[in-house]
Amino acid sequence: DGGITQSPKYLFRKEGQNVTLSCEQNLNHDAMYWYRQDPGQGLRLIYYSQIVNDFQKGDIAEGYSVSREKKESFPLTVTSAQKNPTAFYLCASSARDRVLSAEAFFGQGTRLTVV
Amino acid sequence: RKEVEQDPGPFNVPEGATVAFNCTYSNSASQSFFWYRQDCRKEPKLLMSVYSSGNEDGRFTAQLNRASQYISLLIRDSKLSDSATYLCVVNNAFSGGYNKLIFGAGTRLAVHP
Repeated sequence: DGGITQSPKYLFRKEGQNVTLSCEQNLNHDAMYWYRQDPGQGLRLIYYSQIVNDFQKGDIAEGYSVSREKKESFPLTVTSAQKNPTAFYLCASSARDRVLSAEAFFGQGTRLTVV
Repeated sequence: RKEVEQDPGPFNVPEGATVAFNCTYSNSASQSFFWYRQDCRKEPKLLMSVYSSGNEDGRFTAQLNRASQYISLLIRDSKLSDSATYLCVVNNAFSGGYNKLIFGAGTRLAVHP
């Protein structure tokens, strides 16, 4: 089955550590996104990528880094510079060549908690 | 001003009621529009796209007003299972086919017996 997979589902990080969240898709989508969601709030865009080896900062990129070495993969690293990383992280992908119908498909999310 | 704004709610309605959600967006060049549904502690899922002429899918009707930069979602005959958060999404597509999906904060709906 085609889809988008995030791992792990739950992640605990000690203060000062970097952690990497995995996102893999087999939908052959060019565009991939990372969003952060805090309790009772909407999704805020961290980074997005339209093609391999290219990515753009979203609205809250500080303290995060990404790479896009393969079309299928868009990992997110939460660095120690991120002051308040505890949140629900969602990865999404969409077809780049269907601009007017760019439905985004989401992974099941990773809940990151700083301990 | 936020790029996409929604009334956060919550909207508490009885079963069978009709409820309407509104959303405004700030970028007049926005290309496409969607409503997503998000259940508690789950990922968002597409409910419906919003077309210029308006569109209907069963009990759900979406409308777009480009002049006012306004999107709406109407739910008729509400069911208990409609209880969720409804997210307004705008695609600010760039030249070359690049997409940037911007989400509103969501409107929470609670349908009670």
